Amino acid sequence: AQSVAQPEDQVNVAEGNPLTVKCTYSVSGNPYLFWYVQYPNRGLQFLLKYITGDNLVKGSYGFEAEFNKSQTSFHLKKPSALVSDSALYFCAVRDRGSTLGRLYFGRGTQLTVWP
Amino acid sequence: DADVTQTPRNRITKTGKRIMLECSQTKGHDRMYWYRQDPGLGLQLIYYSFDVKDINKGEISDGYSVSRQAQAKFSLSLESAIPNQTALYFCATSDPDPRGSNEQFFGPGTRLTVL
Repeated sequence: AQSVAQPEDQVNVAEGNPLTVKCTYSVSGNPYLFWYVQYPNRGLQFLLKYITGDNLVKGSYGFEAEFNKSQTSFHLKKPSALVSDSALYFCAVRDRGSTLGRLYFGRGTQLTVWP
Repeated sequence: DADVTQTPRNRITKTGKRIMLECSQTKGHDRMYWYRQDPGLGLQLIYYSFDVKDINKGEISDGYSVSRQAQAKFSLSLESAIPNQTALYFCATSDPDPRGSNEQFFGPGTRLTVL
């Protein structure tokens, strides 16, 4: 079975501070991992993905994520948060051995960055 | 993503009415998906289609049906709407990546309210 856990419903951080949004996953094989962001009244926008290679993945808007196979985690990070980063963030996983090709999403983490 | 459009963007209807939500894409992707989003539950897969002749149920297909009229169009129907189908509905598309990552692209969403 494939699943994603985002243990924090909300993350609050002051502008200029580093931020981390946590994600752990469960797949039967090796994973493809994704982060998406949803701004109010908008669809989901792709941020970054891990396919293979370097465990540190860099994405849009200064975000990065680190794949940790031993901890089955893919935490989203940014060194210096902006108020405009406030949004709902979703982690997703796909088993690369699956022929179905569908993604499984976490429940989302609401990030609030205050001035 | 402007390449994936959904109509209508907002709809209020009454219990028992038949509703159709439409999705069109200009990305040329074979794969299309319908999700519903409820607060705190993340995205749940309703139906997905890997080509015009291939339609599959997701985890919450009861009460819904779909039609893949063409590669570019994928419609979701609620035959007899009920209040607990009030949610935000997203259409998404993807194409098999040679590396297999299957990144998905989302439409802007349809907010459906069933009274």
